[in-house]
Amino acid sequence: SFELTQPPSVSVSPGQTVTITCSGDVLSKQYAYWYQQRPGQAPMMIIYQDTERPSGVPDRFSGSSSGTTVTLTISGVQAEDEADYHCQSADKTGTFVLFGGGTRLTVL
Amino acid sequence: QVQLQESGPGLVKASQTLSLTCSVSAGSIDSGDYHWTWVRQSPGKGLEWMGHIYFDGRTDYNPSLESRLSMSLGMSRSLFSLSLTSVTAADTAIYYCARDNQTYGYLDYWGLGLLVTVSS
Repeated sequence: SFELTQPPSVSVSPGQTVTITCSGDVLSKQYAYWYQQRPGQAPMMIIYQDTERPSGVPDRFSGSSSGTTVTLTISGVQAEDEADYHCQSADKTGTFVLFGGGTRLTVL
Repeated sequence: QVQLQESGPGLVKASQTLSLTCSVSAGSIDSGDYHWTWVRQSPGKGLEWMGHIYFDGRTDYNPSLESRLSMSLGMSRSLFSLSLTSVTAADTAIYYCARDNQTYGYLDYWGLGLLVTVSS
């Protein structure tokens, strides 16, 4: 399958923990990447190769992988985390880039 | 610091061709470590990978767009372009150019995006 499936929206209260999932057959063979996109801005990568966090990204962001599902976890959510989150991977050949439909995180 | 910037018309008439250019500063397209990529985002929707071009001009396109899409490198090795034919209202979107870093597998630099509206 060439599809990556994310929930359209999630909501959380400040200080709580939220998880956003991304599912697709290809995720058992290819790495996943997560991007944060604030309103009016371009996406910015926050997790790469399933679990790695680049420097500059707060450690409250973490990634995990199990089978055909990857998960972005945000612990101790802050108001500034309100954004759209997109997962990305590649097809089994590594040629085509795939995006999930995106998840809007609302901080209540 | 690598910077990318999209340029082109913000309004295109239906059935015509949409042409955009991406300017890459503080870097060169001449590296096999990167794929030069176009991504679009329809209003209120998710990201759609359109395709990419390699440093040597080879391309890969999203199968859903392949019949209407072409990408090319500029004469200046700091430009690459997109051409999308026979546009409809469904092609109204923010168009981003980005660099796909093959060492790590993600799009590490993005342009600010350019809103293109297709009018009837």
